[in-house]
Amino acid sequence: DQQVKQNSPSLSVQEGRISILNCDYTNSMFDYFLWYKKYPAEGPTFLISISSIKDKNEDGRFTVFLNKSAKHLSLHIVPSQPGDSAVYFCAFRGAGNMLTFGGGTRLMVKP
Amino acid sequence: DAGITQSPRHKVTETGTPVTLRCHQTENHRYMYWYRQDPGHGLRLIHYSYGVKDTDKGEVSDGYSVSRSKTEDFLLTLESATSSQTSVYFCAISDGTETQYFGPGTRLLVL
Repeated sequence: DQQVKQNSPSLSVQEGRISILNCDYTNSMFDYFLWYKKYPAEGPTFLISISSIKDKNEDGRFTVFLNKSAKHLSLHIVPSQPGDSAVYFCAFRGAGNMLTFGGGTRLMVKP
Repeated sequence: DAGITQSPRHKVTETGTPVTLRCHQTENHRYMYWYRQDPGHGLRLIHYSYGVKDTDKGEVSDGYSVSRSKTEDFLLTLESATSSQTSVYFCAISDGTETQYFGPGTRLLVL
């Protein structure tokens, strides 16, 4: 069973507008929620994280929201830039310091 | 950037041959991980290590073995490569906090 789902395989946004990426999860035992960004032919790079005891965390243009009652995680990018075009993965930390990843969403920011 | 290297970066091999991938870190982090990335599946954990000679299985460990004889090196071995093991393999490290840092990846093709 998939514990983490990114239901949108792709998203296209105009430069300067908001990008919203979403993840749903089923396991209530996750304690940290992370977003990674991946460019082609490179490894994933850490973007931002949030603890299960918080509902919002900001870092510059990136804001992560956690809705524990709905088991929903989202990433907002404002304003979106062409350099943000990449695949974004949500990841959830469970027991043993292990991460469970979603399937990824390809974001395309058009100039 | 975290000091993580992977070798080789690209490899083509034949079905039935053994293959070893190497991950090397200069950060002295305790935890090391091997993932594979396939379209639609995100990243899936193969094996991980929580210290020298301490390893455990992940979600997709069948057909793979690992060894960690030194803090800085984590080896992944495909005992008898199959076409289903064609994938991109990523190594990651962690100091026990929620964030894992990834290497650049190894692209493996099994013919």
